[in-house]
Amino acid sequence: QVTLRETGPALVKPTQTLTLTCTFSGFSLSTSGMCVSWIRQPPGKALEWLARIDWDNDKYYSTSLKTRLTISKDTSKNQVVLTMTNMDPVDTATYYCARIGHNYGHWDYWGRGTPVTVSS
Amino acid sequence: EIVLTQSPGTLSLSPGERATLSCRASQSVSSSYLAWYQQKPGQAPRLLIYGASSRATGIPDRFSGSGSGTDFTLTISRLEPEDFAVYYCQVYGSAQYTFGQGTKLEIK
Repeated sequence: QVTLRETGPALVKPTQTLTLTCTFSGFSLSTSGMCVSWIRQPPGKALEWLARIDWDNDKYYSTSLKTRLTISKDTSKNQVVLTMTNMDPVDTATYYCARIGHNYGHWDYWGRGTPVTVSS
Repeated sequence: EIVLTQSPGTLSLSPGERATLSCRASQSVSSSYLAWYQQKPGQAPRLLIYGASSRATGIPDRFSGSGSGTDFTLTISRLEPEDFAVYYCQVYGSAQYTFGQGTKLEIK
């Protein structure tokens, strides 16, 4: 059974760095073809892809946010970590992690999401 | 960058009716990388269709996807009460992922 769970602070101040952790089970990120992404959704708005990390440690970032994002993995802990620097109120959103299983085009399993508010 | 435009923004229908949701891409995309998701309030998105027309595991056969190039369609043949939600199309290309703005399917 594949599960993913996001954890991190619910509130961050402007200019601070956000660190989110995705802890997963039911698959290994060392298996060929497996990838994990981060996706966010501001309140009442559409989904936005942020980053992806692959089983071979290749990393991909949203063109519009790549200067602020870093994605990493700890295969032994079954975790993927996303950091986003210089947080702004417009970054207020629910942040999801999700798995890509073999087909790079879509995510088949999602976490429940973690809400993050950026406010002083 | 690929832009996905979904229409209509809101669709008001009754249970039992047929729903047709559209997703148009700003440039031709690979059908292999076109997906549809359903999202209910307070929940994560749920994969419905991938590869433009393949149903994900456990998805009822009243959901179907079609299209190619720049025009894609999600059809729900006969609406059930649990189908009223927001639907997103999504595409992968050039190592980037893009979502449409969503279509809200509401009960008439």
